[in-house]
Amino acid sequence: GQQVMQIPQYQHVQEGEDFTTYCNSSTTLSNIQWYKQRPGGHPVFLIQLVKSGEVKKQKRLTFQFGEAKKNSSLHITATQTTDVGTYFCAGLDKLIFGTGTRLQVFP
Amino acid sequence: EAQVTQNPRYLITVTGKKLTVTCSQNMNHEYMSWYRQDPGLGLRQIYYSMNVEVTDKGDVPEGYKVSRKEKRNFPLILESPSPNQTSLYFCASSAQLGGRPYAFFGQGTRLTVV
Repeated sequence: GQQVMQIPQYQHVQEGEDFTTYCNSSTTLSNIQWYKQRPGGHPVFLIQLVKSGEVKKQKRLTFQFGEAKKNSSLHITATQTTDVGTYFCAGLDKLIFGTGTRLQVFP
Repeated sequence: EAQVTQNPRYLITVTGKKLTVTCSQNMNHEYMSWYRQDPGLGLRQIYYSMNVEVTDKGDVPEGYKVSRKEKRNFPLILESPSPNQTSLYFCASSAQLGGRPYAFFGQGTRLTVV
């Protein structure tokens, strides 16, 4: 079946450092979505990418959809402690989620 | 307020004792889904429902049942819970963005089976 893998599984950074998580699908995706789950919370929708090569920004977060629509990335510039959490990508209309990347930010 | 409500939030039960986790949404969404979250495994889909009386298996359906008799409710049933079903469970309903669904999640149910 369709699989969505994310790397890395965990990332620890010093506050102010950049962070990137990558999402890779075994099949072409019609769209890719990103969610954030704060510790102890539930996943919350961040953004959706639809077009090949699409890039979207939300303040310090930059989301990119690959040209082949099989991969995506989320880049956070100058991390802050408020960025702590697990980031998930999700693909296809069945909302299949990736394995997630847990980000820890040390002050 | 638009929301997905799960109950209970926490549950400790014994092996074999049937239980139901309820999920209700007030957004008139057609699509609903159940996930379990385990460390290192992400969110794995258990069952999903495209509409009333329409349900289908996700990636890890074994040991679970669901029903969709009303649009707003999508309960998850564990007929005979086992310790390997100890997990954090999320219910989600789906809204549309640009013609594509995205998920609203409930607060989660932490289940422990002893």
